[in-house]
Amino acid sequence: GAVVSQHPSRVICKSGTSVKIECRSLDFQATTMFWYRQFPKKSLMLMATSNEGSKATYEQGVEKDKFLINHASLTLSTLTVTSAHPEDSSFYICSVDQRDSGYGYTFGSGTRLTVV
Amino acid sequence: GNSVTQMEGPVTLSEEAFLTINCTYTATGYPSLFWYVQYPGEGLQLLLKATKADDKGSNKGFEATYRKETTSFHLEKGSVQVSDSAVYFCALMDTGRRALTFGSGTRLQVQP
Repeated sequence: GAVVSQHPSRVICKSGTSVKIECRSLDFQATTMFWYRQFPKKSLMLMATSNEGSKATYEQGVEKDKFLINHASLTLSTLTVTSAHPEDSSFYICSVDQRDSGYGYTFGSGTRLTVV
Repeated sequence: GNSVTQMEGPVTLSEEAFLTINCTYTATGYPSLFWYVQYPGEGLQLLLKATKADDKGSNKGFEATYRKETTSFHLEKGSVQVSDSAVYFCALMDTGRRALTFGSGTRLQVQP
């Protein structure tokens, strides 16, 4: 399967600032990626489906203007948390969809965001 | 909607102990079921899967059986090792959806 690199692994930012998280598919051309977030002791929740060259599809309740997703190339999707607030503190994970190639899903190692 | 419920952790066991991590699900269709494992500092990796009722997924000594009557997919291993210490996620994929629905994860700590 693909190698997925997610960066940064941890980030601390001040309230009101923006943070960008990168998800790179190092050896697979990913037309579809997924972004998840996880609050403590809660399920890993799907935020959005990122589609190369088109707009992301957001899950109900996820603010698209707050969580900006850009998937401009087949190897990179970015999630930008804009005007971050402490309640945005969470664990964010990206995933590459390789089911059409028979490899299922490949996940990044996640980003721990803390907003202070 | 779809949901997955798994037992809260952490689960702490001694080496060679028997492991069970419970997982139950709610789905509208006939989902495929998965267990993923996340070792420290790494991404989630597929551990095993089952695609229909009564299927048993197995890998690295871990097993889970798709029980439609109890809507369960419990993870078991007969003898755990320290190297099995990780977070385990139960997940499902329902027909017509592209993404997985996950449980909250269960941290397993195996002590020597």
